[in-house]
Amino acid sequence: QSALTQPASVSGSPGQSITISCTGTSSDVGGYNYVSWYQQHPGKAPKLMIYDVSNRPSGVSNRFSGSKSGNTASLTISGLQAEDEADYYCSSYTSSSLYVVFGGGTKLTVL
Amino acid sequence: EVQLVESGGGLVQPGGSLRLSCAASGFTFSSYSMNWVRQAPGKGLEWVSYISSSSSTIYYADSVKGRFTISRDNAKNSLYLQMNSLRAEDTAVYYCATLAGHYGMDVWGQGTTVTVSS
Repeated sequence: QSALTQPASVSGSPGQSITISCTGTSSDVGGYNYVSWYQQHPGKAPKLMIYDVSNRPSGVSNRFSGSKSGNTASLTISGLQAEDEADYYCSSYTSSSLYVVFGGGTKLTVL
Repeated sequence: EVQLVESGGGLVQPGGSLRLSCAASGFTFSSYSMNWVRQAPGKGLEWVSYISSSSSTIYYADSVKGRFTISRDNAKNSLYLQMNSLRAEDTAVYYCATLAGHYGMDVWGQGTTVTVSS
C-alpha cells in the first residue's frame, strides 16, 4: 500500500506562486476525480483546502487551486502569504484494498 | 457547531489494547461514513479504517487488519476503534474524520495520542 508521492518541501517568497505535485497511479489519482488537499499547521488537525480535484470548500481562499493531469494532481497557491506556511497533504480514493490513500506530505516554507 | 471529539488515548505496553472513542455533534452523524486517520510523530497522515453510515461496509489498512476493529453507535453519535495487539509502530495521534468534502462535510477531531511503549 504505497502512499502518493509528493515533494518533501517547497518554498516561495510572499506574493509568489508555488505548485505542489501529487503522483499516484491509475488505481487512485488517475482513475478517479476524488483528489483532496489538506493543510496542516503544527499541532493542529488537517484542514480541507481542495476536494474532488479542483473544488474549494466554502471559506477557503481562491488563492488555492487544484488540477489533475493523468496520474498527477497539483495544488497551486498564488499570492503566497506567511500564514500559508504549513504541511500539505494530498489524498485520493483508491480502488486497491484501501479506501483512501494519502501523500507523504510537503512542507511549504514562505521565505 | 459541527464537532468531533476523540478520547481514550494513552500509554499502553506492546501487546496491549486500547479503545478510542469519537463523539460527534452538530450534524446528522448517522448520515455520514466515518474514518480513523493516524499520524506518527513527525510523520505524515495514514488512513487507518473506514465505516459506512450503516456499518454495512468496513475497510482497514493492511497495517492494522486483524488487530483493529472499527464500529459505531448512531444512537449515541459515536465512533469507536478497538485496538488490540498494539505495537510500537502504532504510536501516533489518532483522528476521527468524515473525509466527506464532496458533501460539504469534511470534519476532523482534534486527535487523541496513543503511545505504545514499555
